[in-house]
Amino acid sequence: QKEVEQDPGPLSVPEGAIVSLNCTYSNSAFQYFMWYRQYSRKGPELLMYTYSSGNKEDGRFTAQVDKSSKYISLFIRDSQPSDSATYLCAMSVPRAGSYQLTFGKGTKLSVIP
Amino acid sequence: KAGVTQTPRYLIKTRGQQVTLSCSPISGHRSVSWYQQTPGQGLQFLFEYFSETQRNKGNFPGRFSGRQFSNSRSEMNVSTLELGDSALYLCASSLEPETEAFFGQGTRLTVV
Repeated sequence: QKEVEQDPGPLSVPEGAIVSLNCTYSNSAFQYFMWYRQYSRKGPELLMYTYSSGNKEDGRFTAQVDKSSKYISLFIRDSQPSDSATYLCAMSVPRAGSYQLTFGKGTKLSVIP
Repeated sequence: KAGVTQTPRYLIKTRGQQVTLSCSPISGHRSVSWYQQTPGQGLQFLFEYFSETQRNKGNFPGRFSGRQFSNSRSEMNVSTLELGDSALYLCASSLEPETEAFFGQGTRLTVV
């Protein structure tokens, strides 16, 4: 079983739709949770960073963490064509006196005008 | 504030050669991590440096190595290149290892 599972999609939605992206994980030691957006041929861009279970909102983006179910989500409201990208979840675990990020494979999202 | 800078952006190398990639972190960030990204495997962790010390290393062969300098700039080296080393190599920096990690634009390495 992989440590982080993420549906690769592709996911196609009409402009203005609410998008839900999800990841599940198996390692209960994961402590910090992040969502990145990656446009083609670019580096990942940090969207959300959270530690505790619950919701965190930033503009049109809401990150949700459920540690009891080992499940994290990213919601995008009023989706725009500019949101078309690959979305990566990432989780940080203490290891060897430091922290190590583990990524999901990414979900490719297309928002159709 | 300048972001993470990676150089060069593109490289083409021949099998058997070696290559050095450079990463300048965000000013004040002491932790630098390297990742390899391929379509099949996604983002895979290579190694992490903090205050010039390698703290963690991923499951890659010894041909992959790195170092960090006193100004937090980091380099990674790949020796005896193989075709399978073709990938986007990404560097990320953070203030501390557990805080938010910010990525550079990557170096796209093609081995022919």
